[in-house]
Amino acid sequence: SYELTQPPSVSVSPGQTVSITCSGDRLGDKYASWHQQKPGQSPVLVIYQSTQRPSGIPDRFSGSNSGNTATLTISGAQAMDEADYSCQAWDSTSLYVFGTGTKVTVL
Amino acid sequence: QVQLVESGGGLVKSGGSLRLSCAASGFTFGDYYMTWIRQAPGKGLEWVSHISSRGSVKFYADSVKGRFTVSRDNSKNSLYLQINSLTGEDTAVYYCARAIEQQTFDYWGQGTLVTVSS
Repeated sequence: SYELTQPPSVSVSPGQTVSITCSGDRLGDKYASWHQQKPGQSPVLVIYQSTQRPSGIPDRFSGSNSGNTATLTISGAQAMDEADYSCQAWDSTSLYVFGTGTKVTVL
Repeated sequence: QVQLVESGGGLVKSGGSLRLSCAASGFTFGDYYMTWIRQAPGKGLEWVSHISSRGSVKFYADSVKGRFTVSRDNSKNSLYLQINSLTGEDTAVYYCARAIEQQTFDYWGQGTLVTVSS
């Protein structure tokens, strides 16, 4: 089965930049998405098709995807960005696959 | 605006069954594939099942195959998940989500909690 691996946690100071990685076999050949989930809330799509932002998502969120790694970058992190972030991709065998999730702490 | 509202969760004994529902509004429901995704307490997201826009194509995760059945009624703008032979590993919040052609989910419901007791 296809697997996506993320670091369990990252921290960032307010106003600084943080990047979250998502690793999977030949992930760069697939579309990667990122979902943000704040405590007690449903997930929200913040990046799709590896680099695209849905309407309403601040431009401090950006994505890239190459080789075996997709990356979500938050530039100028704010306290409101503190959340769990899960990458996700589609695989022909496993279908929809989620990453292990990364907790982002802004402190 | 797009809204997805799940219902039907609750406390059920191991081996029992439940039927989850998802009421959709704010978009042409019959134009979209729909998905069920679950999240066990303190755990990550797990894709469960997927159904095509007209309901003719269905996919399931290996962990639920043979026990869960997805269906939809486009006339009622509703998505369903029949879950049988429940075990403690099925305890989770179950979300319905709208699938888009970019192979992801652009709207999620608020979720419904299923708790399986022994």
